[in-house]
Amino acid sequence: GAVVSQHPSWVICKSGTSVKIECRSLDFQATTMFWYRQFPKQSLMLMATSNEGSKATYEQGVEKDKFLINHASLTLSTLTVTSAHPEDSSFYICSARAGGKGNQPQHFGDGTRLSIL
Amino acid sequence: AQTVTQSQPEMSVQEAETVTLSCTYDTSESDYYLFWYKQPPSRQMILVIRQEAYKQQNATENRFSVNFQKAAKSFSLKISDSQLGDAAMYFCAYGAGKSTFGDGTTLTVKP
Repeated sequence: GAVVSQHPSWVICKSGTSVKIECRSLDFQATTMFWYRQFPKQSLMLMATSNEGSKATYEQGVEKDKFLINHASLTLSTLTVTSAHPEDSSFYICSARAGGKGNQPQHFGDGTRLSIL
Repeated sequence: AQTVTQSQPEMSVQEAETVTLSCTYDTSESDYYLFWYKQPPSRQMILVIRQEAYKQQNATENRFSVNFQKAAKSFSLKISDSQLGDAAMYFCAYGAGKSTFGDGTTLTVKP
């Protein structure tokens, strides 16, 4: 149980393109979803937290207009990287949690490797 | 703000031996949760073990166990009978709302 599906797994696109990444909880309702960015051999950097039906809460230094997050239902959150540039190339991981508190573990998607040419 | 510190960037262990990964954290909360996640080369994040702060008993999952010292704010992970498949990056995480992750420890298992 507790499966999170993240698509696509790998994206290569030209600079200036907008890219959408989907994160779905397949067998549970995700009250809260998280979006992380991870550089090679480094920890996960939290970008934003989203709760179903409300605006995402962005971490300091993360551009809201650059990284658009929509958590339209209890099973789906999307991250759109708008007008992507090479510096946006990274590994993006989503996670979903059933409860609002931290007692429930986060269940992670398999990540999306984004390469901007 | 909560912080999580993993002081060992890299560790190695011989197959079948035991290894302990360290983690300390800082918080002013009394009710929180701690987790260890494993990230193999595939980069998928996998939950290894979870500990509720209000429980004094240390959590155990098969070959994985923790040594939770609440007063010292320490949460170490012990892997017994290490296997080649245990090779991965291990992250300690603090959870109370949103999670805070440590910088990770890369574990190498030598055959």
